Amino acid sequence: AQTVTQSQPEMSVQEAETVTLSCTYDTSESDYYLFWYKQPPSRQMILVIRQEAYKQQNATENRFSVNFQKAAKSFSLKISDSQLGDAAMYFCAYRSAGTGNQFYFGTGTSLTVIP
Amino acid sequence: KAGVTQTPRYLIKTRGQQVTLSCSPISGHRSVSWYQQTPGQGLQFLFEYFSETQRNKGNFPGRFSGRQFSNSRSEMNVSTLELGDSALYLCASSLAGTAFETQYFGPGTRLLVL
Repeated sequence: AQTVTQSQPEMSVQEAETVTLSCTYDTSESDYYLFWYKQPPSRQMILVIRQEAYKQQNATENRFSVNFQKAAKSFSLKISDSQLGDAAMYFCAYRSAGTGNQFYFGTGTSLTVIP
Repeated sequence: KAGVTQTPRYLIKTRGQQVTLSCSPISGHRSVSWYQQTPGQGLQFLFEYFSETQRNKGNFPGRFSGRQFSNSRSEMNVSTLELGDSALYLCASSLAGTAFETQYFGPGTRLLVL
C-alpha cells in the first residue's frame, strides 16, 4: 500500500514570508497524482494544488508552488508571500491513476501565520 | 451550485449504538467518498461509491457500511459503536471519481462516542 509522510506536524511563518511544507511518499507505481489540500479551522477542506507524476514541470497556482522530485519521492509545497488566511492544516495526498482509486493522506502540517 | 452538505453536523452516541450519517454531493457529481479524520491518524479512506455501486473500500471493519441512492446522495452507517469511532467523518464528491478530478469536501459530521 502507498504511504504518505508529513514529518512536520507544525510550522510557523511570518506574514509576507515564504514557507515550505514537506511531504514524502512511497509507491511502486509509475502513474499517479499528488495533491495538497488545505483545511482551515472549522472550515471545509479545499484543493490547493495538484501534480501529475508524468509531468516534470512543477505545478504552480498563484502564490503556491510545488517541488516535485519523482526519483526521491518528494513533493513539497512552497507558499510565497504568506497571508493570514493561509493559516490552516495542510494535507499531502497521493492517488493512483485510474478511476475509483482512494486517496492516501499524510497526517497533516498545521501552519500558523504570525502577523 | 450548492456545495457538499452533510447531516447531522454533530452527534453524540453511546457505545453499542448505531449511527447513520448522510452526505449530499454537488449536483451532477456521481462519485462520493467517505473518510474518517482523527488527530493521530489523519484522514483514512472508508469507501467510494459511484452510480450506487461501491467501487473501493478501505481497511475498516464490517461495522462500517455505506450506500448510495439513485440521486447520488450517500449514507454511511456504523453499527455497534466503539469509543475509537469518535472522529470527524468527511464525505467528498466529484464528477466521476477519476484520479485527476478535484474532490469537493463537505463540512463533516463530528461524532462523539461516550
